[in-house]
Order: sequence, then structure tokens, then C-alpha cells
Amino acid sequence: EADIYQTPRYLVIGTGKKITLECSQTMGHDKMYWYQQDPGMELHLIHYSYGVNSTEKGDLSSESTVSRIRTEHFPLTLESARPSHTSQYLCASSEPDPQGSYEQYFGPGTRLTVT
Amino acid sequence: KNQVEQSPQSLIILEGKNCTLQCNYTVSPFSNLRWYKQDTGRGPVSLTIMTFSENTKSNGRYTATLDADTKQSSLHITASQLSDSASYICVVSDRGSTLGRLYFGRGTQLTVWP
Repeated sequence: EADIYQTPRYLVIGTGKKITLECSQTMGHDKMYWYQQDPGMELHLIHYSYGVNSTEKGDLSSESTVSRIRTEHFPLTLESARPSHTSQYLCASSEPDPQGSYEQYFGPGTRLTVT
Repeated sequence: KNQVEQSPQSLIILEGKNCTLQCNYTVSPFSNLRWYKQDTGRGPVSLTIMTFSENTKSNGRYTATLDADTKQSSLHITASQLSDSASYICVVSDRGSTLGRLYFGRGTQLTVWP
């Protein structure tokens, strides 16, 4: 199992609250990703990072923000949670293998419910 | 547009039976194709990865095939077990992406009954 961790695993919070979802990996990977996944739907990339001090928005527009101050840490923040933010959030990291392919290793996810 | 389509959307089989899941993709240029297993409430875990030159890859009771000409892949599960109940996701990577961009299917939800 990959050494990538997410906390909390489950979070129920009221509208308007600020929340931070934590993600950390101990594999020394430069590239990290945040995905959003609704039940029965595909994963959508919302943020990614090539390395420290590098962050980019993904394919799916998101009101969340991310930071990458340390290689191992890639937290995601919602300044004001809304019910539309209810979803599963998955963090991943990757590095190229000898063939140049990127194997992404996923954390267990955070199930967020905004009431 | 790069897309990954999977079928069936859901499947129920009895323990011990075999099944085959399908994946069609339009991702180009193609780099590799992975099958992931995602248990409920967990992150996806890689089962197999195949590059353009590979047409079959096995991992225990899981065997994946790839036809790069028709852009189709299948995942065959032999002698299913209750623990095989999960979502199986087909993921395609495009070549030339320094990000390692992945394109995800919606998954096939497999349920194995005793």
C-alpha cells in the first residue's frame, strides 16, 4: 500500500465554515494531485503541483485553493464551505518510472458533507 | 476530445464465476492504460498497467488485455471472490504530458454475491 495519507477521512460541516483537507506522502514524489469524485462518476482533477511552490488548477473548476510549501505536504482549503462542495476528495502523488510512465498513488480520500 | 468509456456500468455475479469488464478510449497520443480497483470509501489501487506494445498483463486472478488498434481494453476476473466487490476503473495516460495526465472512466461497479 502506498505511503500517502489523508485526514480527516470523514467530515461533516456547516455552510460557511473554513476547512482544510490534509494530504501527505512519504515517498518523496514531486508531483501531487487533488481529485474530486462524486458517487458513480469519474475522478476530476481540480489541482496539481509539479513541486514545492508550484500549484496549478486542474480540469474541473473548483473554489478550493492549495499550497505546496513542503514536498510531502499538499493541503486543500475551502474558505467558505457550501452544500455543493459535498463530495469525495482524493489526493495522489506520482513519479516517473524507468519507462517514463507516471504511476499515481492515491490516498484513502476524505468524504466531505456540507450541511 | 479525450474520453474513456466503460461497460457495463454495474455487474452482479456469483462467487466463483468469471467476468469481463470493457473499456473503450479515444485518448491520443496514447501512452499507457491502467486498471484500478477502488473499494467503497477508499482510493483507487493499481491492478495492471499496459503500454502500447503490450496486449496482455496478468496480476493474479486479474488479466487485462489491450488492443491499441481498436482502442479497447478488457479486464477479466477469474474465480471471483467476495472481496472482488468494488469499482473497477479504466485509466488512460496520454504521451508527452509532463504532468502525467490521466483520463478516468466512470468505472464498473462489480458486486459478488455468495
